[in-house]
This record gives sequence, C-alpha cells and structure tokens, in this order.
Amino acid sequence: EPEVTQTPSHQVTQMGQEVILRCVPISNHLYFYWYRQILGQKVEFLVSFYNNEISEKSEIFDDQFSVERPDGSNFTLKIRSTKLEDSAMYFCASKGDGNEQYFGPGTRLTVT
Amino acid sequence: GENVEQHPSTLSVQEGDSAVIKCTYSDSASNYFPWYKQELGKGPQLIIDIRSNVGEKKDQRIAVTLNKTAKHFSLHITETQPEDSAVYFCAASKGGSYIPTFGRGTSLIVHP
Repeated sequence: EPEVTQTPSHQVTQMGQEVILRCVPISNHLYFYWYRQILGQKVEFLVSFYNNEISEKSEIFDDQFSVERPDGSNFTLKIRSTKLEDSAMYFCASKGDGNEQYFGPGTRLTVT
Repeated sequence: GENVEQHPSTLSVQEGDSAVIKCTYSDSASNYFPWYKQELGKGPQLIIDIRSNVGEKKDQRIAVTLNKTAKHFSLHITETQPEDSAVYFCAASKGGSYIPTFGRGTSLIVHP
C-alpha cells in the first residue's frame, strides 16, 4: 500500500540554525500538508499546498517557515532560524481526490 | 475558529470491554468529522469518519455517532483488543479545504 514517507526521523539542531524537513507524498496525490505536534499537545495545522502554491496557512506559519515542492516527488518544510519552541513532531500529509489525508510517520525536531 | 474538545485524556479498559471517546466542536459550519488512531512512532491514521448529514456510522467494531444540534460526536469501540491500544484523535473540518482541527487525543489502554 502506498504511504507517505518523511526524513529524517529525528533532527537535532541548535537555536538559530536552518532546518529542512523532507516528505515524499503518495505519488498520485495533489494536496500536501504540514502539521506539528508539540509534546503532549494537539496536532496543529501549519500549511496546505496545491498546484505549486500555498492554499491555506495558519497563524503558526509565519515568515520563518516556507514550503517547496522542488521536484515531482518531494515536499519540504524549511524553518529559517529555529527557536526552542519549534521543538515538536512535524507531520507531512497528502490527499488525493477524496477527503482522507494520509499522514507520514513524522520528524521529531529538537532545538537546543 | 473551530475548537474541538476531547474527553477523556486517558481511558483504561479490560480486553473485551467497550470504550467510548467523546468530542465537542464549536463551529456549526463544520461538516466532516474524522477519527484518527496514532500508534507509537507513527503518524495519525484515519480509522472512520462521518459527515454532518449522517447520525451514525459503523465499521465492524468501530462506530461513530454525531449530534449536530448539540455539536458533539463520539467514537465507540466494542470488544476491545490489546492492539486497539493507541492514541485516538477526533477532528472537525468544513467543506472546501477539509483541514481538520484536532482534539487533544485520548490514550486508550486495553489490558489483556
């Protein structure tokens, strides 16, 4: 069964550094999403992406964040200058024509 | 914006018992209510969903009910098994983007 994959599984970075989280969505999906989950808290929507542009974003998704689909298979989330409060699990998801979003296993980001 | 409350935060049952998780939502325009199961080290996976034009939906041991007037919906798992142990999230969204607003999650523990 096709699945969403994410790399790395765990990323440790120092405050102020840039990180890029990578996702490979399901191949025939056209809608892509990033979510984050701070330890013990809700899963929160960050951004959705369709037709090579951002379709929606939340208040969390400020100028420090950007997304890109650099080629036909990858979907990336970049955090320009990480802060301690960016430490969280980051989930990528993709969706086809139906309502169901398929989530990847997540990348645990630790900012020290 | 939408606010989803979920109870209980932890639910411990014996194998074979039933488990019920309850959620409320605030936005009367929400019309799609997915439930996700998150196992350790994995992303959320859709297990069942319900639309606002339906009051109940069942899939084997899992059922969801929706009360639009009261703005609450519930997940019912019958004949629980140890492999049902996971964190369960309810969510609410509305047509168009179907971007879910998640509840805080319920950690279900099924004791053999």
